[in-house]
Amino acid sequence: NIVLTQSPATLSVTPGESVSLSCRASQSISTSIHWYQQKSNESPRLLIKYASQSISGIPSRFSGSGSGTDFTLSINRVESEDFSIYYCQQSYSSLFTFGSGTKLEIK
Amino acid sequence: QIQLVQSGPELKKPGESVKISCKASGYTFTDYAMHWVKQAPGKGLKWMGWINTYTGKPTYADDFKGRFVFSLEASASTANLQISNLKNEDTATYFCARGDIGTTDYWGQGVMVTVSS
Repeated sequence: NIVLTQSPATLSVTPGESVSLSCRASQSISTSIHWYQQKSNESPRLLIKYASQSISGIPSRFSGSGSGTDFTLSINRVESEDFSIYYCQQSYSSLFTFGSGTKLEIK
Repeated sequence: QIQLVQSGPELKKPGESVKISCKASGYTFTDYAMHWVKQAPGKGLKWMGWINTYTGKPTYADDFKGRFVFSLEASASTANLQISNLKNEDTATYFCARGDIGTTDYWGQGVMVTVSS
């Protein structure tokens, strides 16, 4: 199975800062990586698909990049509503997997 | 609008079975796959597998082969997850999510299953 490693596990930032979250795959997966946001006690929400493709209704401050094994979710000028957990998910293999998540918390 | 509405919370004893439903609306049910995702308390998301809503063929992740069954009531636009011989470690929230070419774009609200003697 393809293992996704997310880092850091927790990221403490001040609102207004810009951040980058990392997701590394155990093998090359082209651009078959997707990013989700999960707020406390809510269902996950799709933010970015296929590494860098935007999703309708998602604020433009969220962007994604990367290919192969290294991927990044960037948030430009974090807002208070962005403090939550972020997961990456791969669909390169027919057996999907999620990363362990990065918690974005207020500093 | 597109919605996935799941059934209510469940409290079960070890060894019992549970069946969770996920009713879709706002789109053609058989045009999209349905995925299932487990989230244990305080833990991350774990992909369980998916079911082809057109053919009914399920695919299970390795950790979910044996006691877990995905099924459909296509005429009712409903996908089901049945777990048999429940164990304490099955205590979790179970989400259904619509599959759209590798991603999952709409999610149900989740069902909390508690297994306790």
